[in-house]
Amino acid sequence: DSGVTQTPKHLITATGQRVTLRCSPRSGDLSVYWYQQSLDQGLQFLIQYYNGEERAKGNILERFSAQQFPDLHSELNLSSLELGDSALYFCASSVGTLGNNEQFFGPGTRLTVL
Amino acid sequence: AQSVTQPDIHITVSEGASLELRCNYSYGATPYLFWYVQSPGQGLQLLLKYFSGDTLVQGIKGFEAEFKRSQSSFNLRKPSVHWSDAAEYFCAVGRRTSGTYKYIFGTGTRLKVLA
Repeated sequence: DSGVTQTPKHLITATGQRVTLRCSPRSGDLSVYWYQQSLDQGLQFLIQYYNGEERAKGNILERFSAQQFPDLHSELNLSSLELGDSALYFCASSVGTLGNNEQFFGPGTRLTVL
Repeated sequence: AQSVTQPDIHITVSEGASLELRCNYSYGATPYLFWYVQSPGQGLQLLLKYFSGDTLVQGIKGFEAEFKRSQSSFNLRKPSVHWSDAAEYFCAVGRRTSGTYKYIFGTGTRLKVLA
């Protein structure tokens, strides 16, 4: 158990809908990262927050947004969903923002768009 | 472009045999290097990491990796594979860009272990 929790574990929805994925980091970790894992794209970094502020952006679509709240939990919002958004979405957390900070991964949310 | 390459998509070994998973990176400086393992239905777990110093690093579950600057490689090894090692393995690079660090993951190598 990494100490990172993600809810829900599974999510099935229809095209055009909007969903919210939730992540609670390990106790004491200030950084939260979101990743998308799909069969054709592999593991792609989406976005990072540190202590409530956005720190880095990766391959995140404009239809996707995220935020980190004062209690440090984070939410990833996916809107106008398309079939291609079906994937595993991982949240990870780390103490800080340095490249040598170990990231601890949650179990993931499997999103299926029908 | 900066990248991480894992040339082997699938590897099959017999239980008890040795294992080497390859990882090459393309980056100007020595990056931070990581190996993660993902068991079916699970998140990623860190096996080991390299930042500097001794180029042979030891990790959990009996894994080790060797950093070779001249070859831009960070290959993962295990002398004797156990059936429970069947999983997907990801090499990752932590690199500084625009004042912050990002992780780039390789495409993964899926390991199958034969009894």
